[in-house]
Amino acid sequence: NAGVTQTPKFQVLKTGQSMTLQCAQDMNHEYMSWYRQDPGMGLRLIHYSVGAGITDQGEVPNGYNVSRSTTEDFPLRLLSAAPSQTSVYFCASSYSRPAAGGAGIYEQYFGPGTRLTVT
Amino acid sequence: KNQVEQSPQSLIILEGKNCTLQCNYTVSPFSNLRWYKQDTGRGPVSLTIMTFSENTKSNGRYTATLDADTKQSSLHITASQLSDSASYICVVSWELGGSYIPTFGRGTSLIVHP
Repeated sequence: NAGVTQTPKFQVLKTGQSMTLQCAQDMNHEYMSWYRQDPGMGLRLIHYSVGAGITDQGEVPNGYNVSRSTTEDFPLRLLSAAPSQTSVYFCASSYSRPAAGGAGIYEQYFGPGTRLTVT
Repeated sequence: KNQVEQSPQSLIILEGKNCTLQCNYTVSPFSNLRWYKQDTGRGPVSLTIMTFSENTKSNGRYTATLDADTKQSSLHITASQLSDSASYICVVSWELGGSYIPTFGRGTSLIVHP
C-alpha cells in the first residue's frame, strides 16, 4: 500500500512549456485534490474531484487543467507554464466517515509533493 | 468568507520546553478541525481531528483543544523534541452537499533548539 504517490519530485520548466504532474493513490478513495503551497501562504486548492469523471475548480484554478478517468489517477496539467506557477504542488486523496454526534470527518492523505520552478 | 488564522507565525523554543499554538476560524457551517504537522520538504501529516462535539484530543505529546463557541483551537506540545521542528497547520472543514471543504491556515513554523 503505497498511499499517495507523486511524480516528478522536482521539475524545472521554461515559460510557455507544458507538462503534467502525476498523482496516484491505491486506497480506493473517491475524493482527490490538488493544492499549491507558496511561502507564507496556506495550502490553496487548485482543483478537486469527487469521483471518476467528476472534477471541479478550487480556489486558484487558472492555468491548470485536470481529469479523472480512473479512481486511482488524478493528473494536473500546466498548458503554458508561467513564473507565477513556481510552487510546491501537493496531491491528496480522502474519504469521509461518520463520527460521534452525527458529524462527519474526512480523512485526507497527502503525497510527498512536487517542487516546480518556472524560469 | 471562511478564514483560518494562526498565531504566532513562527516560534523558537528550547528542547524540553512546552509551547502552545493558536488557531482562530470563521468557517461556517463548521464540520471538523484538524491539526497537521508538515516537515520540511514533505506533505502534511495529520496529528489530531475534532468534531464540534469534542473539545480536546491528544496524540502523544500533542494535545489539541477546541472551543466551538469562540471558534478557537490550540495545539499544545509538551516536552518538545528536536524532531518537533516543523510547520503546524490548522485546517477547518465545512460541509457542502455531502463533501467536506477544507480551509487551511498559513501555519506556524516551530523551531526547537537544543
